[in-house]
Parts: sequence; structure tokens; C-alpha cells
Amino acid sequence: QVQLQESGPGLVKPSQTLSLTCTVFGGSARSGSNRWSWIRQPPGKGLEWIGDTYKSGNPFYNPSLQSRVTISIDPSKTQFSLNLTSVTAADTAIYFCARNDASGFFDLWGRGTLVTVSS
Amino acid sequence: DIQMTQSPASLSASVGDRVTITCRASQSISTFLNWYQHKPGKAPKLLIYAASNLYTGVPARFSGSGSGTEFTLTISSLEPEDFATYSCQQSYNTRYTFGQGTKLEIK
Repeated sequence: QVQLQESGPGLVKPSQTLSLTCTVFGGSARSGSNRWSWIRQPPGKGLEWIGDTYKSGNPFYNPSLQSRVTISIDPSKTQFSLNLTSVTAADTAIYFCARNDASGFFDLWGRGTLVTVSS
Repeated sequence: DIQMTQSPASLSASVGDRVTITCRASQSISTFLNWYQHKPGKAPKLLIYAASNLYTGVPARFSGSGSGTEFTLTISSLEPEDFATYSCQQSYNTRYTFGQGTKLEIK
């Protein structure tokens, strides 16, 4: 059974880079036709799709974050990562990694990790 | 971007009640609409995809309907484990967007 787990610092200072990793347990991010996404939920707000990538790369990003986001797949093929540069308090959120079906729904999620941006 | 608006924002109900949550899209999205259940500290779960298709393992008390701009998620008879937040998501285009969520609470 494939599971996803997010990991990374829970506290990031303003203007620095937020870096998270999603580990794929029981499977590989390089298999199948799925894409692999990052999604976040700021406190008291709805979910926001950040972007996704495919096993061969070719990432797509939310236009509102595109200038600051990089999503990549690790050569180990069992992890993919998120880098978000120049963070502010508005980037404080629970960050989820998820698997997208080719039809665009997210059929597998991690539990999420809270990242707080504060000095 | 396609805006997704859910109503109500919160809802109080009792075990055994029938509840309906509505999701409206700012433009027609055909049936490219998905529903999720999420609880604090747990991985969100896909309930319904393509507006009305029950995802594998999801109890039959959950159902979805709608097309175009208006969609509903119905829980026919609430169980204790159903008290959670529910979100809709459009997959009409790859700039995926979600509703703001509906929190279902115990009355």
C-alpha cells in the first residue's frame, strides 16, 4: 500500500527558502502515469494547489506562486520535493503532498506538515 | 482561475441525519468536480470523482451529483466518523482550485 509522508523544518524565517520532501513509501514517484503535487492550507482558509511534476520532470505551477516555486523528483525515485523562496508570513500553512490521477483528482495524500514563517 | 464556492461554510447535524453540501463553480466545468474529506492530523481522503463516481472503499452513504456550475455532496445518514471538513476541487483545467471547505459538526 503506497503512502506519502512530508518532512522538513517546521519553522522558516521570513525571506528564506522553505524546503520540504515527500517520501513515497511502498512505491515510486517514477512509476505509472501519475503526477505528484504539493498543496497547502493556510490557517482558517481553503486548500491551495501549489504545483506538480511528472516522473520525467515537466512541472506545472500555480501562476500565483510560479516565480517562487520549484518542484522536483529525486533521482532515488522515491521522493519529490518543494522549494518555495522568499517566504513571508502569508506562506504559513499546512503543506500536503499528494498523487494526482491523470483525470486531475488527488487520490492519495500525506498527513501534512505545518510550516510557520516567523522570525 | 476558476473560483469554487461552497455552502454552507459550516453545518451542525446529528448522527443519522441526511446532509447536503453545495459547490458552485465560477464557470462551467462539465463534471470535472471532486470531493474530499479531511480531518486534523490525518491525510485527506478522496470521496467522489468526476462529480458522481464513488471512489474505491468509500461508503455508499456518500453520493455526488451535478454538472456545469452546480454540484452537491450528500451523506444519506451521518455516522460519527463523518464529522469532518469537506472540500470540492475542480479538475476542468490543470490550474486546480478548491472550495473553501465546509465544516460538518456534531449538533
